[in-house]
Amino acid sequence: AQSVTQLGSHVSVSEGALVLLRCNYSSSVPPYLFWYVQYPNQGLQLLLKYTSAATLVKGINGFEAEFKKSETSFHLTKPSAHMSDAAEYFCALTAGNQFYFGTGTSLTVIP
Amino acid sequence: GAVVSQHPSRVICKSGTSVKIECRSLDFQATTMFWYRQFPKQSLMLMATSNEGSKATYEQGVEKDKFLINHASLTLSTLTVTSAHPEDSSFYICSARGGLRTDTQYFGPGTRLTVL
Repeated sequence: AQSVTQLGSHVSVSEGALVLLRCNYSSSVPPYLFWYVQYPNQGLQLLLKYTSAATLVKGINGFEAEFKKSETSFHLTKPSAHMSDAAEYFCALTAGNQFYFGTGTSLTVIP
Repeated sequence: GAVVSQHPSRVICKSGTSVKIECRSLDFQATTMFWYRQFPKQSLMLMATSNEGSKATYEQGVEKDKFLINHASLTLSTLTVTSAHPEDSSFYICSARGGLRTDTQYFGPGTRLTVL
């Protein structure tokens, strides 16, 4: 069975501080993993994806994520938060035809 | 590349009427399209998966006669909410997969439906 768990429904960081959004997964087959960002009243925008190539994946807007099979994790990081990073972030996994989403993490950036 | 559009972005309708939402892949052929519903402050709930030219596959608990899905071409899928009621008010998001990027879903901007 496949599932995605995002630890922390709300994360607050100061502007300029490190952003760390946690995602753990469970999959019976090698997964593809994704991070999406959603701004208010908008659809989801792909930030980055892991598809079994390099374990450290760089995405847009300075975000990156590292696939760690031993920890079944795919945490999203950004060295320095900007005000514009405030949004909802979703981790997702695909195995075969199905997509599995985490419950989302709301990121607040404090000026 | 991989742009998905939705129309309309917002719709307000009276209870009992039907509303059609269009989802288009603008620069690739979408062999599969997905329809999601999102409640405030919650994750996406998959409603149905549609493949071009075949009937949609609905998730458990989703009424197929109420949420009619048509995927008539490789670039267009429509979701019709029939006899809408206030409880159908929600944010509906489509996504598409296809072309060379069969491992990734690309999402539309969403449609905010309000049923009075």
